Amino acid sequence: DVKVTQSSRYLVKRTGEKVFLECVQDMDHENMFWYRQDPGLGLRLIYFSYDVKMKEKGDIPEGYSVSREKKERFSLILESASTNQTSMYLCASSLGAGISNGQQYFGPGTRLTVT
Amino acid sequence: QQQVKQSPQSLIVQKGGISIINCAYENTAFDYFPWYQQFPGKGPALLIAIRPDVSEKKEGRFTISFNKSAKQFSLHIMDSQPGDSATYFCAASYTGGFKTIFGAGTRLFVKA
Repeated sequence: DVKVTQSSRYLVKRTGEKVFLECVQDMDHENMFWYRQDPGLGLRLIYFSYDVKMKEKGDIPEGYSVSREKKERFSLILESASTNQTSMYLCASSLGAGISNGQQYFGPGTRLTVT
Repeated sequence: QQQVKQSPQSLIVQKGGISIINCAYENTAFDYFPWYQQFPGKGPALLIAIRPDVSEKKEGRFTISFNKSAKQFSLHIMDSQPGDSATYFCAASYTGGFKTIFGAGTRLFVKA
């Protein structure tokens, strides 16, 4: 079974703090993703990576950056946390682009509160 | 063109009833249409998926109906159970692409 783990389930940070969210997958997947989930808005893609050190902006990258130094690990960084970044953050992984690329495997999520 | 529109936003169904969630898309390049199920405190997990070369796919009590000409697809949950209470997301992607486009989600509550 694919396992995607996220470093924290709950996190409370202050406005202006730098925040690191870590994600690790154990199935040698090429693609990794960061989403935020807000009620009524579904899952919105922040960034994704299709290879080590490669990253692409998603639909809402402003205020975020990412790092992928190893294939199994994908980090989301909030450079200066703001209250409008309070949300549930979900990490996901999938096999390489191709016929199976649609299925994504999600971690349990990190609920971040910025005060 | 990249949007997937999902309805309803929430749904209450009696135990034993049929739950129906609908989605519509615009991009005809999409060739993979999964449904994800998310329980509180968990990440979404793939429930069932369909490709546009078939009009229906059934797995147990869950059925996807697909209408290529109308660019619509729907999830039917037969004999709905309280354990089916969850948020359901439809999605779409295409071969060779990296991104999956998700609908806004439907919160289903099945009354015992």
